[in-house]
Amino acid sequence: AQSVTQPDIHITVSEGASLELRCNYSYGATPYLFWYVQSPGQGLQLLLKYFSGDTLVQGIKGFEAEFKRSQSSFNLRKPSVHWSDAAEYFCAVGATGAQKLVFGQGTRLTINP
Amino acid sequence: ETGVTQSPTHLIKTRGQQVTLRCSSQSGHNTVSWYQQALGQGPQFIFQYYREEENGRGNFPPRFSGLQFPNYSSELNVNALELDDSALYLCASSSPGTGRYNEQFFGPGTRLTVL
Repeated sequence: AQSVTQPDIHITVSEGASLELRCNYSYGATPYLFWYVQSPGQGLQLLLKYFSGDTLVQGIKGFEAEFKRSQSSFNLRKPSVHWSDAAEYFCAVGATGAQKLVFGQGTRLTINP
Repeated sequence: ETGVTQSPTHLIKTRGQQVTLRCSSQSGHNTVSWYQQALGQGPQFIFQYYREEENGRGNFPPRFSGLQFPNYSSELNVNALELDDSALYLCASSSPGTGRYNEQFFGPGTRLTVL
């Protein structure tokens, strides 16, 4: 069965600093990987996705993520965070056949001014 | 193009009652998935409907049931509500193709509070 681990429950960074959110997955075949962002009281917005091909994927709002099969990781990065990036971030893995998403527990990002 | 919509936005019920949540899928999508997101947790897959049939179910009891209509909109029904059912319920629509995973588009959710 698929699973996703986000080791950091809460991260605080200063505005303008770089950011990396960690995600490790467990899945037997080639995974489909996603990062979603959720602002308080809101639904999920897709930041980026990896289906195949180039292991470095670009998303919206200046985010990128790198798929590393050897480490079963799909870490999210941003070179310089903005106060508006404060939110909850979820990593998820999807699979053919099951057509469902399995989410991690989420990482809450706080931005210091 | 209209995105995924859900109603109501918020709902308060008491233990033992029944509730129905509604979802309209994005134009052109024939598959709807439901997720439960408890406070401080990631969303958990409840079930999926494809062409009006259940097409996969997560680890939820039978008192969680659903329907999909010919226009691909969907309902989630929960009977005998328990306090632990308090959560944000998310609906996602997709249009499955062949041999690959298809991206799911999420609605804004329905916040259910059980007292």
